[in-house]
Amino acid sequence: GESVGLHLPTLSVQEGDNSIINCAYSNSASDYFIWYKQESGKGPQFIIDIRSNMDKRQGQRVTVLLNKTVKHLSLQIAATQPGDSAVYFCAEGQNAGGTSYGKLTFGQGTILTVHP
Amino acid sequence: SAVISQKPSRDICQRGTSLTIQCQVDSQVTMMFWYRQQPGQSLTLIATANQGSEATYESGFVIDKFPISRPNLTFSTLTVSNMSPEDSSIYLCSVGTSGGPAKQYFGPGTRLTVT
Repeated sequence: GESVGLHLPTLSVQEGDNSIINCAYSNSASDYFIWYKQESGKGPQFIIDIRSNMDKRQGQRVTVLLNKTVKHLSLQIAATQPGDSAVYFCAEGQNAGGTSYGKLTFGQGTILTVHP
Repeated sequence: SAVISQKPSRDICQRGTSLTIQCQVDSQVTMMFWYRQQPGQSLTLIATANQGSEATYESGFVIDKFPISRPNLTFSTLTVSNMSPEDSSIYLCSVGTSGGPAKQYFGPGTRLTVT
């Protein structure tokens, strides 16, 4: 089936730097995209989502950018902190009415390491 | 967001046995899902747990291997049957919201090791 993938499996940054995590997707029928953070030994934690009719959405210290032309999604984390160290997953899904409503397809994941 | 708990949090099981994982939510939810996360990998959807009807399984997963129950809107179980070492994974349940982008919230996971 269609898949969501990531460009970089690992990312190391210094505390205070900005981080950018990228994701490529292939399903043009996706209605929304979600970024999750997974810390060791825990389940994925919802960070932020974006609808397919948007190109940017901001949250607290995070910004998600969506480029549907090249099917690319990114998560920007401002002033990265050691507590941001985790695995980050992008996921895509479809709205009600789609045959895959509610189901998420996850990307490969990027390991973010923040050095003090 | 919903508060989701899973039992057990981890277990070590012998091959050939079965383990039932419980997922409890603190509020009624329409959609519940079960995922598998193999070591060092991403999440793969096993099935959608439908209240009052049989679960809907994804390609590569079958009911005989992963029977699911959904007796009410706050509870579901996943059984991993006739286990082999290849079933060693983290098993996660999630709940979805209705309307708009279906944000899913995840439980803490059950770490299963099969020896």
